[in-house]
Amino acid sequence: KAGVTQTPRYLIKTRGQQVTLSCSPISGHRSVSWYQQTPGQGLQFLFEYFSETQRNKGNFPGRFSGRQFSNSRSEMNVSTLELGDSALYLCASRPQGTSHSPLHFGNGTRLTVT
Amino acid sequence: SQKIEQNSEALNIQEGKTATLTCNYTNYSPAYLQWYRQDPGRGPVFLLLIRENEKEKRKERLKVTFDTTLKQSLFHITASQPADSATYLCAFRGSTLGRLYFGRGTQLTVWP
Repeated sequence: KAGVTQTPRYLIKTRGQQVTLSCSPISGHRSVSWYQQTPGQGLQFLFEYFSETQRNKGNFPGRFSGRQFSNSRSEMNVSTLELGDSALYLCASRPQGTSHSPLHFGNGTRLTVT
Repeated sequence: SQKIEQNSEALNIQEGKTATLTCNYTNYSPAYLQWYRQDPGRGPVFLLLIRENEKEKRKERLKVTFDTTLKQSLFHITASQPADSATYLCAFRGSTLGRLYFGRGTQLTVWP
């Protein structure tokens, strides 16, 4: 079974631009979560989608948004990029099931904002 | 707010010794804790889950304990090897469904 796939692996953008990151979950997994990882803050929860609906959202500004498609693939978008948005963005999927099922992470998209 | 802390940012040990990593949590009583391993440039990989009614759980050379009185979980790697060198993260699912709270991780280095 293929793992979680995130594209692209690396991105360099300029302040003020916007960016879209893509995530393909493990086949059969219907929940997709997004996390931001930085050296200073560690892993911070962005949002979770299940069956095309956002179930939860972390404490990030409205510039961060996401969506999920009917095939469970997900995208997240960051508008009006700021230098502080430079981070590793991780997508994780899990099957529908009990709330404590572990997350399966992709290898992330490394975003650099200059 | 719900908070999880890993006491050591870095731990260096000699091959063959037991590595012990600590995870503490506050302002919440999680029903279970999860441990993940993360290698540079890669996403975290799930290792073990322990429930609040399980004092200890083992998987090969790994052992996790969960002390709800101390609000602490310990993660042990016995007979450590250089290949165990990585960052280890603990996490719990808080009151908000679908959201995991992660510690910042402990970077373990096992030297020959």
